Amino acid sequence: QLQLQESGPGLVKPSETLSLTCSVSGGSISSSRYYWGWIRQPPGKGLEWIGTISYSGTTYYNPSLKSRVTISVDTSKTQFSLKLTSVTAADTAVYYCASRSGSLTQFDYWGQGTLVTVSS
Amino acid sequence: QSVLTQPPSASGTPGQRVTISCSGSSSNIGSNTVNWYQQLPGTAPRLVIYSNNQRPSGVPDRFSGSKSGTSASLAISGLQSEDEADYYCAAWDDSLIGRVLFGGGTKLTVL
Repeated sequence: QLQLQESGPGLVKPSETLSLTCSVSGGSISSSRYYWGWIRQPPGKGLEWIGTISYSGTTYYNPSLKSRVTISVDTSKTQFSLKLTSVTAADTAVYYCASRSGSLTQFDYWGQGTLVTVSS
Repeated sequence: QSVLTQPPSASGTPGQRVTISCSGSSSNIGSNTVNWYQQLPGTAPRLVIYSNNQRPSGVPDRFSGSKSGTSASLAISGLQSEDEADYYCAAWDDSLIGRVLFGGGTKLTVL
């Protein structure tokens, strides 16, 4: 079964760019079977979808974050990535990567999550 | 405030049956399937119901889901202490350019 693992800095300064990578094992990142997504969860709060990318590179972003988000896939490294620009304290959250194989909101496998704090 | 509305809390005693509701609109639950996630403290969410009422492999049959119109429900029968967790519903919303919506979450306490 798929295994996903997030990596990246745990601390980002305000106005800078948050960059995270999700490493995928146990399945092909270029398979048409899977879509790859990012979801975040501010401390003590609920889940917020950030965006999803298809095996072919088509992206779907949360309209509230669209102007600041880029999700990409690196098939050679079996990784996909998240970039969120111009971060503020409101972007402090646990960031999860996940895979989707069914309906648009059916995230079957999740990474363990990584806490990113935005602070100077 | 989430577009998908869930009660903030629910509770039950061991062995009881509890239900958690998720209310939406015609642009999300009314026209798309609903999935449910369980999040144990300090862990990543886990899919427990997909396509309104289907259970992934490994999820006990104590968990069941249903959908009617613009609302959905998650039911847990034979409640166990290990079921104490946060539960989230999710659905695609067709308004604007489309987006994934999560409910605000329901904290289930096993008394």
